[in-house]
Amino acid sequence: ELKVEQNPLFLSMQEGKNYTIYCNYSTTSDRLYWYRQDPGKSLESLFVLLSNGAVKQEGRLMASLDTKARLSTLHITAAVHDLSATYFCAVDKGQGGSEKLVFGKGTKLTVNP
Amino acid sequence: NAGVMQNPRHLVRRRGQEARLRCSPVKGHSHVYWYRQLPEEGLKFMVYLQKENIIDESGMPKERFSAEFPKEGPSILRIQQVVRGDSAAYFCASSRQGMTGELFFGEGSRLTVL
Repeated sequence: ELKVEQNPLFLSMQEGKNYTIYCNYSTTSDRLYWYRQDPGKSLESLFVLLSNGAVKQEGRLMASLDTKARLSTLHITAAVHDLSATYFCAVDKGQGGSEKLVFGKGTKLTVNP
Repeated sequence: NAGVMQNPRHLVRRRGQEARLRCSPVKGHSHVYWYRQLPEEGLKFMVYLQKENIIDESGMPKERFSAEFPKEGPSILRIQQVVRGDSAAYFCASSRQGMTGELFFGEGSRLTVL
């Protein structure tokens, strides 16, 4: 059974600091997704990582994927308050052509002024 | 283009009643997924449908839950005889046929069972 573990589950950081969120998964998969969720809202897609060594960056967020280690990281650079949200990684469990995702429990990020 | 539309956004039911949640996918998307999110948890896959077909319902509880995606109209997730443990946010997502990419999520339907 595919398991996805994120850590930390809670993260409180100061504005301007850097930090990394980790996502480990238990079985082989070549597709990994990062989502952001604000309280009471839907999930916003941040990154889709499709191959080993993939690295994507958008603003202060950078995501990477190491399929051999079954590890993805979401790195936050010079955090700002607007990044406060819950971040989920999800791994594709489905067969080709479907997106049957297994989600981690999420990392609740609070950025303090 | 409109995104994934779900309604109702909030639904309150008493134990034993039925809940019907509706989802209209992104225009042009023929794959629909339902996920459930309990408080402080990630989303858990329930069911994957294409038009008129259930492709994978491995995440659906064996009783009381059913889903459909008719040829015309929205996808429906139906929960019969609701219990307190059914209280959760139910998210619908859609994707384009044959594409390997991301899911587009709706804003969710939050079910509260009294």
